[in-house]
Amino acid sequence: KAGVTQTPRYLIKTRGQQVTLSCSPISGHRSVSWYQQTPGQGLQFLFEYFSETQRNKGNFPGRFSGRQFSNSRSEMNVSTLELGDSALYLCASSLNRKQGPGGTEAFFGQGTRLTVV
Amino acid sequence: AQSVTQLDSQVPVFEEAPVELRCNYSSSVSVYLFWYVQYPNQGLQLLLKYLSGSTLVKGINGFEAEFNKSQTSFHLRKPSVHISDTAEYFCAAMRQFGGYQKVTFGIGTKLQVIP
Repeated sequence: KAGVTQTPRYLIKTRGQQVTLSCSPISGHRSVSWYQQTPGQGLQFLFEYFSETQRNKGNFPGRFSGRQFSNSRSEMNVSTLELGDSALYLCASSLNRKQGPGGTEAFFGQGTRLTVV
Repeated sequence: AQSVTQLDSQVPVFEEAPVELRCNYSSSVSVYLFWYVQYPNQGLQLLLKYLSGSTLVKGINGFEAEFNKSQTSFHLRKPSVHISDTAEYFCAAMRQFGGYQKVTFGIGTKLQVIP
């Protein structure tokens, strides 16, 4: 069973540009969450998508957006990049069953390392 | 509101010595608890989880954790660490909200194993 796949692994962008990151969840997983990881702030939750709907959102500015497609693949977009957006962006998928705790754990991709110069 | 506190940002320990990484959570309702490990330039990998039942949970790579409801703690332990355990460890708590779950991560603890 393939794991969570994030592309690209590394990106270098300049300030003011926009970027799109992609995440393919484990087959059958309908929940996809995005996190920003920086040395000073740790893991910060960006948003979560389930069945193409955003149902949870962290405290990030509107420059950060996302979407999920019918095949559960998700994209994250950051517009007007700032130096402070340099981070490792992690995607996690889970089964997220409605009944009981089964399938609660999140499976993470290897991340996309974004550097803004 | 739910929060997860990892009291130590860095823990140095000699090889073959025991280690404990501390995690406290705050929640007024039942939570599910997890420990993840992150190796350099990698994503997070699940070490172990507590959903219910026995409070002592065993995970991969010889790690275990004990759920202590009265102290709201879920400390991670290993009796003898190896160089390959050098990594960052994250504690996480998950709450059930109706039809979905919300996960909160701690800030992480860097374990440095010294040869």
